[in-house]
Amino acid sequence: EVQLLESGGGLVQPGGSLRLSCAASGFTFSSYAMSWVRQAPGKGLEWVSTISDSGDSTYSADSLKGRFTISRDNSKNTLFLQMNSLRAEDTAVYYCASHYGVKSIAYYFDYWGRGTLVTVSS
Amino acid sequence: DIQMTQSPSTLSASVGDRVTITCRASQSISSWLAWYQQKPGKAPKLLIYKASNLESGVPSRFSGSGSGTEFTLTISSLQPDDFATYYCQHYNSYWTFGQGTKVEIK
Repeated sequence: EVQLLESGGGLVQPGGSLRLSCAASGFTFSSYAMSWVRQAPGKGLEWVSTISDSGDSTYSADSLKGRFTISRDNSKNTLFLQMNSLRAEDTAVYYCASHYGVKSIAYYFDYWGRGTLVTVSS
Repeated sequence: DIQMTQSPSTLSASVGDRVTITCRASQSISSWLAWYQQKPGKAPKLLIYKASNLESGVPSRFSGSGSGTEFTLTISSLQPDDFATYYCQHYNSYWTFGQGTKVEIK
């Protein structure tokens, strides 16, 4: 059974940093692209960042202006999101999601974690 | 960037109704479109991929159609479990979601 478990969320002050993790199990993690998607309270889904199966290619939403960095450790079946210079508008539930298709990045998200809440406030 | 626009934003319907949600892309996306269902406090769930392909395990009352710039998600006979928010998503060239359509009880 595919499982994705996010962790690392919490309360952080504006300008601070946070590192989210997503522990994967039940599939060959190193063969699949992964993404982060966020959802602000009461709002819709927003794509944040994507990384290829090998980690060689990454893509991020322009709106983040380079503040977030996606990475992965295939030896530990874990996905990361390093978030810097956090703002109040980054407050959201952050989901990790796996892509359909072995070694293919350009597909939809077939499995999702339950999410971790990040709150940016003083 | 490709923009995805859903309509309506909210839809009131009764059990047994036929429900249709529309998603429009700002430029042609061929059939690179997925639909997700999300219930409060839960992660999104994949329903449809490549515009019209039903994900395994999803009830057959859900169907998708369209190509190019206009797409629809149809629920043939609305069930109590279907009251939720639905999102379309373009993929293949970055990943963009529509703003969502909330299906509520009439």
